[in-house]
This record gives sequence, structure tokens and C-alpha cells, in this order.
Amino acid sequence: DTGVSQDPRHKITKRGQNVTFRCDPISEHNRLYWYRQTLGQGPEFLTYFQNEAQLEKSRLLSDRFSAERPKGSFSTLEIQRTEQGDSAMYLCASSPPFRSGDEAFFGQGTRLTVV
Amino acid sequence: QKEVEQDPGPLSVPEGAIVSLNCTYSNSAFQYFMWYRQYSRKGPELLMYTYSSGNKEDGRFTAQVDKSSKYISLFIRDSQPSDSATYLCAPRRAAGNKLTFGGGTRVLVKP
Repeated sequence: DTGVSQDPRHKITKRGQNVTFRCDPISEHNRLYWYRQTLGQGPEFLTYFQNEAQLEKSRLLSDRFSAERPKGSFSTLEIQRTEQGDSAMYLCASSPPFRSGDEAFFGQGTRLTVV
Repeated sequence: QKEVEQDPGPLSVPEGAIVSLNCTYSNSAFQYFMWYRQYSRKGPELLMYTYSSGNKEDGRFTAQVDKSSKYISLFIRDSQPSDSATYLCAPRRAAGNKLTFGGGTRVLVKP
């Protein structure tokens, strides 16, 4: 499968626990985005990486959230001290270098439930 | 008011009908316009991608952008039950910029 891969697909955690999600973008895609989607809503932007540099963060990304892309390949999104309001689908998308196009391709998402 | 608005639906049509979906936006800086299809509990799937105003056709799908009225449309011809999904419009300001999604329109195509 050469699409965007996200792991795990589902995560149930107790309030107050930390969780970490992983995203593997399409090979050679140097741009990577994280979005969050709640039921009945469209995805909301969280953060953007170009290669290993985190170039933009939404104000939705509170200090409990941190994202990394250490080698410019896969990325991780960590949520510390989870709250029930963090329950959502977390989506990762990747795009090729500008010279190759501008489409953004999404993974299947990680569904987080905080109980 | 949200930057991108869509009627949530559901929009119910018989198989074979034309599905007409609309999206309005408020940010005149948007220049790139994408439509995504999302099945339940799945990630969004890119359908169409257009730059600036005009029409673009791809198979049964036609996207129209009118920047003067900040209005985006997607038409699906000869609709099939497999087209039943939520359709999300997602404009962006510049190449590589983040997408700003509408809330999506749920479509039901009945056999």
C-alpha cells in the first residue's frame, strides 16, 4: 500500500493518560499535515511540516499537544493528559514537493476515544 | 461565521440523477479549491482539484469555481449508490497552505 498510513486506527484511553499517534506519509512527500475531525464536522487544521521543520501550528494545538517529524519522514502526534474533549478522529495528510503537484492525500485516521 | 459553509444535508437522490453540491466561502485569498469524498469512519479521498475560477471535468464529476461570488460547486452525473458519502469542499490560500474545510454535505443515492 503506497498511501498515507496511520497507526493505530483506534485508541481508547482513560482521561489523563498520554497517547501517541504515528503517520507515515507517501514516499517522497515532503509536506505533512495533521488535522482533527469531530463527528459531523469537517477536518480542522492542527499543524504542518515541510521536511522536518514545523512551519505552522493552529491555536487549536494547546500545550498538551506536540508533533514531531524528526527525520522528515514519519511524524508523531502526542497528546498529554488527555481530556474527553480530545475524542476525535486525527487525520494525517501528505503532499509532494511543490514542483510535483499540490494535492493533499489523507490517511484513514486514528480514532481516539477518551473515557 | 465559518470561513467555509456547506449545507449538511442529507441530500437524497435516486440512482442516475445529477447530484449538485455547493459551498460558499468568505476569504477572498483562497485560490485553490479541492473536493473530497469521505465514507463513514474513513479518511477523506481527493476527488477534484482546481485553481482559481472556472470549470474542471473528470469523468462523472464537474467542479465549478466562481471567485467573484465566492461560490464553489460540484456536480455528479449518473449518480450511483456507491456515491453515497459526505462531500467536503476545502479551499486553500496558496500552494502548500493548509486546507480549510467546510462541514461537509451528506449525500444518499437510493437504488
